[in-house]
Amino acid sequence: NAGVMQNPRHLVRRRGQEARLRCSPMKGHSHVYWYRQLPEEGLKFMVYLQKENIIDESGMPKERFSAEFPKEGPSILRIQQVVRGDSAAYFCASSPRQLNTEAFFGQGTRLTVV
Amino acid sequence: AQTVTQSQPEMSVQEAETVTLSCTYDTSESNYYLFWYKQPPSRQMILVIRQEAYKQQNATENRFSVNFQKAAKSFSLKISDSQLGDTAMYFCAFSKLTQGGSEKLVFGKGMKLTVNP
Repeated sequence: NAGVMQNPRHLVRRRGQEARLRCSPMKGHSHVYWYRQLPEEGLKFMVYLQKENIIDESGMPKERFSAEFPKEGPSILRIQQVVRGDSAAYFCASSPRQLNTEAFFGQGTRLTVV
Repeated sequence: AQTVTQSQPEMSVQEAETVTLSCTYDTSESNYYLFWYKQPPSRQMILVIRQEAYKQQNATENRFSVNFQKAAKSFSLKISDSQLGDTAMYFCAFSKLTQGGSEKLVFGKGMKLTVNP
C-alpha cells in the first residue's frame, strides 16, 4: 500500500503562471487535507475535501487558489497567476475517514516562484 | 480559535541523553487530540505520538512519551535515549473532535532539535 503521493516534488513557476499540485491519497482514503508551510513556520491548514466535495476551505485565499478532489484521480491544488509570496512547501494528508488520528502526510511539493 | 505555542525555537542534546520539548495550547473545546510530528530534512511529516484529551493516562511510544496537563493546557514531549536520527524539526499540533466536520490540524511554529554525537 503506497503512501500519500505528491507530485511534483519541486515546481518552479514564473510570476503570473499557473501551478498545479497533485495529491494521490493512500488506497481507501477518501478524505484529503491541504496545508502550506512557509519558511521557518509550521503548517497552516488550507482546505479539506472529500470525494467531489469541498468540506472546509476556511484557510484558503479567496482569490487565485482552488482545490478539487474528483471521483476518479488525484486531488489538485491549483494556484493561478502565482506571485513570489506563494513560494512555500505544500503538503497534503489523507485519511480513511474524518478523524485526523489516522492522517498520513505526503512528502510535499516545494513551489518556487521566480 | 485554537492556538499552539512552542516557545523554544531550537535545542540540542547529546546522543543517549533525555530531552523535553515544550508545547502549550489554547482552546475552549473539551474534546480534542494533541499530536507531536517530526519533520526530518527529507521534509516528510511523521507522526510521533498522539494523545486524546479525554484520556488521563499519558501516551507513550517506545522512547517517546508525553506529559499532558489538561488544566494547564500543556503537552510536552520527552525523548529518552536520544539518537542521531531524532535530529529534526518537531511540531506540536491540535485537532478538535467534530461530528462530520473538518478536523484540521493547528500547528505550532516548530522546534529544531539537534542530537550531537
